[in-house]
Amino acid sequence: GQNIDQPTEMTATEGAIVQINCTYQTSGFNGLFWYQQHAGEAPTFLSYNVLDGLEEKGRFSSFLSRSKGYSYLLLKELQMKDSASYLCAVRDRLRSNYQLIWGAGTKLIIKP
Amino acid sequence: DTEVTQTPKHLVMGMTNKKSLKCEQHMGHRAMYWYKQKAKKPPELMFVYSYEKLSINESVPSRFSPECPNSSLLNLHLHALQPEDSALYLCASSQGSGSDTQYFGPGTRLTVL
Repeated sequence: GQNIDQPTEMTATEGAIVQINCTYQTSGFNGLFWYQQHAGEAPTFLSYNVLDGLEEKGRFSSFLSRSKGYSYLLLKELQMKDSASYLCAVRDRLRSNYQLIWGAGTKLIIKP
Repeated sequence: DTEVTQTPKHLVMGMTNKKSLKCEQHMGHRAMYWYKQKAKKPPELMFVYSYEKLSINESVPSRFSPECPNSSLLNLHLHALQPEDSALYLCASSQGSGSDTQYFGPGTRLTVL
């Protein structure tokens, strides 16, 4: 079957580091996306991984292990504006138009 | 520039009304999408247009009718909606058909009374 799991909610402190995990099961894996979504707003693209390893982009990094069906999003030097939901989405080449399968999202709460 | 625009930002309509949501992108993207998102849920795919042709309809009720007048514009026509259709409607676009990063517009917050 197809399934994506990520924690429902996480809390972290301003200035700290947080890691949001995502595990997936899909037969036609063709890439993994992370999006940030503030309440009531649209998802904003953060990162894309298709090969194993770490992709770094400023304060945000994303890691992928295809053999383990696992990814994480690492946020460093947390700021209050990082309070948002973080959505993991997997592209499946076996679905029409390589549709995305979305996780339910992780709500990240940043405390001062 | 990765901007997708949507109008209106908010819409309140009765169950007998007819209204339309509009989406526009000027990035030269050839795939455009409509998603519906309920609170605290991930986006649900409704329709995909690829090169101005409807390529995916995820079993969406006929009270939602998509239209792609040209490669930059995407409309969603609404008629006889139900209160449970109240949601955030998101438009997205990508360079190609499904194989590229999707960029989302700000969404239309729809309330059906």
